[in-house]
Amino acid sequence: KNEVEQSPQNLTAQEGEFITINCSYSVGISALHWLQQHPGGGIVSLFMLSSGKKKHGRLIATINIQEKHSSLHITASHPRDSAVYICAVYYNTDKLIFGTGTRLQVFP
Amino acid sequence: GAGVSQSPRYKVAKRGQDVALRCDPISGHVSLFWYQQALGQGPEFLTYFQNEAQLDKSGLPSDRFFAERPEGSVSTLKIQRTQQEDSAVYLCASSLSDTPYNEQFFGPGTRLTVL
Repeated sequence: KNEVEQSPQNLTAQEGEFITINCSYSVGISALHWLQQHPGGGIVSLFMLSSGKKKHGRLIATINIQEKHSSLHITASHPRDSAVYICAVYYNTDKLIFGTGTRLQVFP
Repeated sequence: GAGVSQSPRYKVAKRGQDVALRCDPISGHVSLFWYQQALGQGPEFLTYFQNEAQLDKSGLPSDRFFAERPEGSVSTLKIQRTQQEDSAVYLCASSLSDTPYNEQFFGPGTRLTVL
């Protein structure tokens, strides 16, 4: 049982494609992180959001609190976007609960 | 400024050895978290400090795992009598405030391999 589900688990794309990664969670949350993890382990926080939508460069994150769902979109994907993308949520504690990640490979 | 740093980056231990993993959080960050990430899985919470106080250690898998942050800055995760199932990447993260749900900044991790 995982309280945070991501789909797809693996995703391949051609350079330039629009990419969507989905995250669903089981109960009400306080906030949600989207994280990027490159080979070698380093994790970078991309977004933290609790409502609506945020945009940073080619990345867009949205969250629908009622549907308990968030999406991460990458526009004009590039090979350097290849990484594992992880959704993590705060329930009513300071602990992050992580999804298992979506492995993205973008080919030139 | 400097991010979260961890040392060593890689550690190989023989089964039964004790290991100590260090985390240097971002200067001034109040909260510090340790996570364990098995191969192909998402990270899992181990323990959490606010300054020097360990507020939650519910994720520590056994009493062989011990964490401390005596001066509210650097933290050490110690694993006694390591077992093969302890092999994982151990991630440290810090956040600025003691108010809830702050953005966490992650270190590069320590990859522990127990032979």
